[in-house]
Amino acid sequence: GNSVTQMEGPVTLSEEAFLTINCTYTATGYPSLFWYVQYPGEGLQLLLKATKADDKGSNKGFEATYRKETTSFHLEKGSVQVSDSAVYFCALLVANAGGTSYGKLTFGQGTILTVHP
Amino acid sequence: DTEVTQTPKHLVMGMTNKKSLKCEQHMGHRAMYWYKQKAKKPPELMFVYSYEKLSINESVPSRFSPECPNSSLLNLHLHALQPEDSALYLCASSQDLEWPQHFGDGTRLSIL
Repeated sequence: GNSVTQMEGPVTLSEEAFLTINCTYTATGYPSLFWYVQYPGEGLQLLLKATKADDKGSNKGFEATYRKETTSFHLEKGSVQVSDSAVYFCALLVANAGGTSYGKLTFGQGTILTVHP
Repeated sequence: DTEVTQTPKHLVMGMTNKKSLKCEQHMGHRAMYWYKQKAKKPPELMFVYSYEKLSINESVPSRFSPECPNSSLLNLHLHALQPEDSALYLCASSQDLEWPQHFGDGTRLSIL
């Protein structure tokens, strides 16, 4: 089946530190990969995406590269800010050979990030 | 700012009440979704609509009844809920089933 394994948190960093949140996946078809962020009291926001191997998604200083050989999609940011404190979800959408995914996103368990001044 | 609008933001209801959650998007998306999210957990898919037709029901109890009156609107009708149904209910939409999903801010539901 399809699954996503995320680095367990919580992760606590000082402002301007380097961030990595690991994400690996298993998929039975053709995956697209996403990172979503959820701020307290809000819904999920799409942070970045990658739809084929070696694609790099980037947004707001965050980056992730779709690595087919290691089935990974690790999230990185060079210098975190207090405002980056949130829950981060890695997610997978798998299409079959005909390109149909049925819209079933598979989420990782989420990683809580806290950034201190 | 989210382009998927959910109302109400908060709802408290008794176990015998009937209420509805509403979700609206004006991005021209043809797929819409309902998710349930418990605290500190990822969202769990409940229903998927594609071109206004129900395409997935993830074995959700019949006390939850979805409805898609038109391509911009998605409702979730609630009846005789249980305390364990207290959660954040998220609506999402996407251009089509293969496209990224965009979420609303959710309705926080409490069952007394």
